[in-house]
Amino acid sequence: EDKVVQSPLSLVVHEGDTVTLNCSYEVTNFRSLLWYKQEKKAPTFLFMLTSSGIEKKSGRLSSILDKKELFSILNITATQTGDSAIYLCAVGGTSYGKLTFGQGTILTVHP
Amino acid sequence: NAGVTQTPKFQVLKTGQSMTLQCAQDMNHEYMSWYRQDPGMGLRLIHYSVGAGITDQGEVPNGYNVSRSTTEDFPLRLLSAAPSQTSVYFCASSRNGYYEQYFGPGTRLTVT
Repeated sequence: EDKVVQSPLSLVVHEGDTVTLNCSYEVTNFRSLLWYKQEKKAPTFLFMLTSSGIEKKSGRLSSILDKKELFSILNITATQTGDSAIYLCAVGGTSYGKLTFGQGTILTVHP
Repeated sequence: NAGVTQTPKFQVLKTGQSMTLQCAQDMNHEYMSWYRQDPGMGLRLIHYSVGAGITDQGEVPNGYNVSRSTTEDFPLRLLSAAPSQTSVYFCASSRNGYYEQYFGPGTRLTVT
């Protein structure tokens, strides 16, 4: 059974801080790892990492994939209050069509 | 493009009642899925479909049925609602089962 564990489960920082969110996984036949941001509604897509794309960056957000150690990190630099959200990690692998999500990290950014 | 749409947005049921949550997408995506989200548990896959006429069970399928008669629609049926099914339900679609999924706005269901 595929497994995804995120840490920490919650994090409180102040504007301007840099945060690192972790996602470790166990999956047979790894195909993809995805990061989502969820505010008070549906999750929105941030990044997808695969064997052929292990680093992604968009503005203040960046992510890397370590396929050997089976984890990914999501970095957010110079945090803003608008970064407050739940960050979800998901992995695709064993069965086509089945994405397994982690529990999520609740990030709170205070002004 | 409307993307992924879900109805209703909110629903209150009594224990034992049945209902159908509707999901539709207009992106011609082959892959569709249903998740439930409970506090502290992320998203858990209920059922998914890799194309019209093909469905399969996810992590928490008990108490739910699905069918996929068209590419566009993927309804989720609660057969006999239980308080444990109180949750937020999201439908999602994707062009590929391993890649980015587009989520609907969600349905908040309360079973009393």
